[in-house]
Amino acid sequence: ELKVEQNPLFLSMQEGKNYTIYCNYSTTSDRLYWYRQDPGKSLESLFVLLSNGAVKQEGRLMASLDTKARLSTLHITAAVHDLSATYFCAAYTGTASKLTFGTGTRLQVTL
Amino acid sequence: KAGVTQTPRYLIKTRGQQVTLSCSPISGHRSVSWYQQTPGQGLQFLFEYFSETQRNKGNFPGRFSGRQFSNSRSEMNVSTLELGDSALYLCASRRDPNTDTQYFGPGTRLTVL
Repeated sequence: ELKVEQNPLFLSMQEGKNYTIYCNYSTTSDRLYWYRQDPGKSLESLFVLLSNGAVKQEGRLMASLDTKARLSTLHITAAVHDLSATYFCAAYTGTASKLTFGTGTRLQVTL
Repeated sequence: KAGVTQTPRYLIKTRGQQVTLSCSPISGHRSVSWYQQTPGQGLQFLFEYFSETQRNKGNFPGRFSGRQFSNSRSEMNVSTLELGDSALYLCASRRDPNTDTQYFGPGTRLTVL
């Protein structure tokens, strides 16, 4: 059964500095997603990564995928307060037709 | 284009009762999935429906059931509620199971007393 692990669980970031969230998954996955969730809100899709070496960037966030290592990373460049939220990675398996989510990483950006 | 809508947004029930939650997908989306989010277990897949047929089901007891209507709207039902069923229930839609991204609704916050 596919398992997804994220670390760290909590990240206190200083504004202006760079950080990385790691997402490991245990078996082959067809796609890897990153979602953002603000407190009390739903999930907002950030990125979908389809193949080995895929890299996607949006603003200060960059996601990458290494299917051989079964690892995805979400890199935050020059953190700003607006990025404070919980970030989830999720691996999708077509045969099971479902997303398996990581535990989430709660990001808090401080001045 | 309207997003995924879920009703009701908040619900309070007592143990032993049953509850029905509703989800209207994005127009043109025929696949609807349901997830449960709790602080202890995180986000867990409940089931997916496509063209009124359940495609897959997560590891939840039979008290959790769902259905999909011909207009793609979906409902999930939880019978004989337990305290542990208190959670945020999220519905997600996509055009069909072979397309990539699921779009999530705002969720229904269920509290069981």
